[in-house]
Amino acid sequence: SQKIEQNSEALNIQEGKTATLTCNYTNYSPAYLQWYRQDPGRGPVFLLLIRENEKEKRKERLKVTFDTTLKQSLFHITASQPADSATYLCALDQNTDKLIFGTGTRLQVFP
Amino acid sequence: KAGVTQTPRYLIKTRGQQVTLSCSPISGHRSVSWYQQTPGQGLQFLFEYFSETQRNKGNFPGRFSGRQFSNSRSEMNVSTLELGDSALYLCASSYAGREETQYFGPGTRLLVL
Repeated sequence: SQKIEQNSEALNIQEGKTATLTCNYTNYSPAYLQWYRQDPGRGPVFLLLIRENEKEKRKERLKVTFDTTLKQSLFHITASQPADSATYLCALDQNTDKLIFGTGTRLQVFP
Repeated sequence: KAGVTQTPRYLIKTRGQQVTLSCSPISGHRSVSWYQQTPGQGLQFLFEYFSETQRNKGNFPGRFSGRQFSNSRSEMNVSTLELGDSALYLCASSYAGREETQYFGPGTRLLVL
């Protein structure tokens, strides 16, 4: 069956450390993958998109990698801050115009 | 530029009723997608409209329907509500859809009693 898996347990890290979130998928061949941030009571906010032919993408303190052999994307936040605390969602598209989302990982950054 | 707006923000209905939710996309955006978000299933794609036509559909029963108007505003309707329809309903807009940033609205929280 098709699955997108993100760590269901919350990730707790100390301010200043690098947070690494994982997105694994099964039985999909995504054309691209996106990462979103969602705060409680709000809609998701787009962060980064990485295409199947790209290995890595960076934006300020954010970095995303995409390994189509491992069927995995990693999302890194360097020098994390308490304001980075939120739920992070990965989503993929197989060129069908349907974004399929993972269930998200809650990140908590404590001072 | 104003963001995506959704109305109403909160709604309480009883089983068997129907409900209509509204979404106004960012000005100039022609693609509007709808999602259902629940704690158990996460964010699930309902359908996408582009230039007043349904371009894509997720795996939801026919009780879930939608439409898009010429000004790109979109509505979704759920008929014969069930308890399991309680969820946060999100809409997202983009200029043309594929491979583009989806801008989400704040959602409509629907509670079915």
